[in-house]
Amino acid sequence: IAGITQAPTSQILAAGRRMTLRCTQDMRHNAMYWYRQDLGLGLRLIHYSNTAGTTGKGEVPDGYSVSRANTDDFPLTLASAVPSQTSVYFCASSVYLGASPLHFGNGTRLTVT
Amino acid sequence: AQKVTQAQTEISVVEKEDVTLDCVYETRDTTYYLFWYKQPPSGELVFLIRRNSFDEQNEISGRYSWNFQKSTSSFNFTITASQVVDSAVYFCALSEGTALIFGKGTTLSVSS
Repeated sequence: IAGITQAPTSQILAAGRRMTLRCTQDMRHNAMYWYRQDLGLGLRLIHYSNTAGTTGKGEVPDGYSVSRANTDDFPLTLASAVPSQTSVYFCASSVYLGASPLHFGNGTRLTVT
Repeated sequence: AQKVTQAQTEISVVEKEDVTLDCVYETRDTTYYLFWYKQPPSGELVFLIRRNSFDEQNEISGRYSWNFQKSTSSFNFTITASQVVDSAVYFCALSEGTALIFGKGTTLSVSS
């Protein structure tokens, strides 16, 4: 079934540790995104990518990095996790940046202790 | 400043009531896109509708309808004859040609 796969589903991480959240899509979409969802704050954009090889910063990029080596994969890395990065992380993709509807993965629930 | 404002944090209704979820947006662009998403208790995000700035026609899909008014920068969502399965968080979002910016969401609770 075509869609977006995120891994892991959930993770408990000690503060200071490095963590990479994985995201893979099989729809050949050009654009990909990472959002975090926090209670009362909605969905906030962390980073996005218009096409393979390009990335851009969103509303809350600090403490996160991304890469887009190919069309299908868009990993999100927390270099040194802090408790404020406890959140649910959603990866999404769309045919084109901005104008097309987003297709979301099922999310990764991350707890930083 | 918030680009997408969903002033209603939580709404509670009884089944069969009509309910309108408000969305007000802010943009200086003439070309933009507006979206609504649904997030049921299971947590996935479901696309409902996309509207571009040049199409102000209202849209109806079953019990769902959307009212887009550029004059008031609003894109409101109405559920007619609500059902328990409509209970969810609903997000309005704006795109000015880049990534979508979401509002904070409205939690709708429909009781039987």
